[in-house]
Amino acid sequence: QQQVKQSPQSLIVQKGGISIINCAYENTAFDYFPWYQQFPGKGPALLIAIRPDVSEKKEGRFTISFNKSAKQFSLHIMDSQPGDSATYFCAARIVGGGSQGNLIFGKGTKLSVKP
Amino acid sequence: NAGVTQTPKFQVLKTGQSMTLQCAQDMNHEYMSWYRQDPGMGLRLIHYSVGAGITDQGEVPNGYNVSRSTTEDFPLRLLSAAPSQTSVYFCASSYRARHQPQHFGDGTRLSIL
Repeated sequence: QQQVKQSPQSLIVQKGGISIINCAYENTAFDYFPWYQQFPGKGPALLIAIRPDVSEKKEGRFTISFNKSAKQFSLHIMDSQPGDSATYFCAARIVGGGSQGNLIFGKGTKLSVKP
Repeated sequence: NAGVTQTPKFQVLKTGQSMTLQCAQDMNHEYMSWYRQDPGMGLRLIHYSVGAGITDQGEVPNGYNVSRSTTEDFPLRLLSAAPSQTSVYFCASSYRARHQPQHFGDGTRLSIL
């Protein structure tokens, strides 16, 4: 069973602080690692994504760090704001085989940013 | 541009009843998928389709049927609802299976008593 393990389950950060969410995978047959953001009552929406040939990708306050040898990747939210309060999911896209293109999701991290 | 539209938004069923969750997209996407979201479990793939007339099982397909007669629509059927199927269901689509991002609908919240 291909898995993506995400931690922590929940995270409380003060406004202006750094939020860090970690994910690890157990199978090398992944070729794309997106992060999705979900607000209550809404569907997930793509936040930022990275490919395994890149070690870091930054978009505004959001950065993905990727460690291919350790099979780990993480999301850093700099200068966290109350509007960032949401549930974040990491995911990995399957490459090859009948399930090619399907995403495997982590279990999610509920982030609360306190003003 | 509506994106991915799911209906209904909320539904309460009794055990043993059947129903169809509707999903439609207006982006001419070939790939469509259904996920269920349960507390602490993340999103789990139920069924997916890489084009009209083609469907396949995901991680948790038991108790669900799908069909894809058109590019736009991908309904999910519960043949005999069980309390274990109480969940939030999301439909998603993308241009192709390997194209990102997947665009998600706002979900159907289903309770089975």
